[in-house]
Amino acid sequence: ETGVTQTPRHLVMGMTNKKSLKCEQHLGHNAMYWYKQSAKKPLELMFVYSLEERVENNSVPSRFSPECPNSSHLFLHLHTLQPEDSALYLCASSQRREGQGNEQFFGPGTRLTVL
Amino acid sequence: AQKVTQAQTEISVVEKEDVTLDCVYETRDTTYYLFWYKQPPSGELVFLIRRNSFDEQNEISGRYSWNFQKSTSSFNFTITASQVVDSAVYFCALSEALIFNKFYFGSGTKLNVKP
Repeated sequence: ETGVTQTPRHLVMGMTNKKSLKCEQHLGHNAMYWYKQSAKKPLELMFVYSLEERVENNSVPSRFSPECPNSSHLFLHLHTLQPEDSALYLCASSQRREGQGNEQFFGPGTRLTVL
Repeated sequence: AQKVTQAQTEISVVEKEDVTLDCVYETRDTTYYLFWYKQPPSGELVFLIRRNSFDEQNEISGRYSWNFQKSTSSFNFTITASQVVDSAVYFCALSEALIFNKFYFGSGTKLNVKP
């Protein structure tokens, strides 16, 4: 099994739909992340979970709701999205180690289109 | 102010040419980490290298080499004898030791390697 998996890979949804993105890491890491990558914009950090507790929420609209039930799984629940939310959503994981660099390992992403 | 600047938006080279991707960073921390990632068209960010701020030794891995210079706050990436498979978007990133979970990504450099 590859390190970080994401499902679905592609998602098309209407503005009134509710859907969820799933991320699973098989690396034994203790931190997980959601990023948004829009065309011609830098990667935007959305949420960070460390040891299953949310430690950062970069002022993300409430229509995005994360869930981290355990250290291996991360969800992003979506509801009443807007067309400008169309983007590539990337999940990553890393191992928190004090005083050491913590490279993040990324999943393949979910390409989301909001109609 | 941007923490990581990749001034080259897009570079095109012909196969077998050498190419250098520039990365300039900004931080007040004395301990920090620098990273390079590759994002092929499939979307997944692939981790290439991590460099610690206290280790200025340059690194070579096959056709890839990295030049870290604290004096100019730069961490440049050179691909020797480029190949078509090197075509991707390359991101430089910075992580500061005191905030382990926050990565500052540059805006990326798109590399096109033509046959």
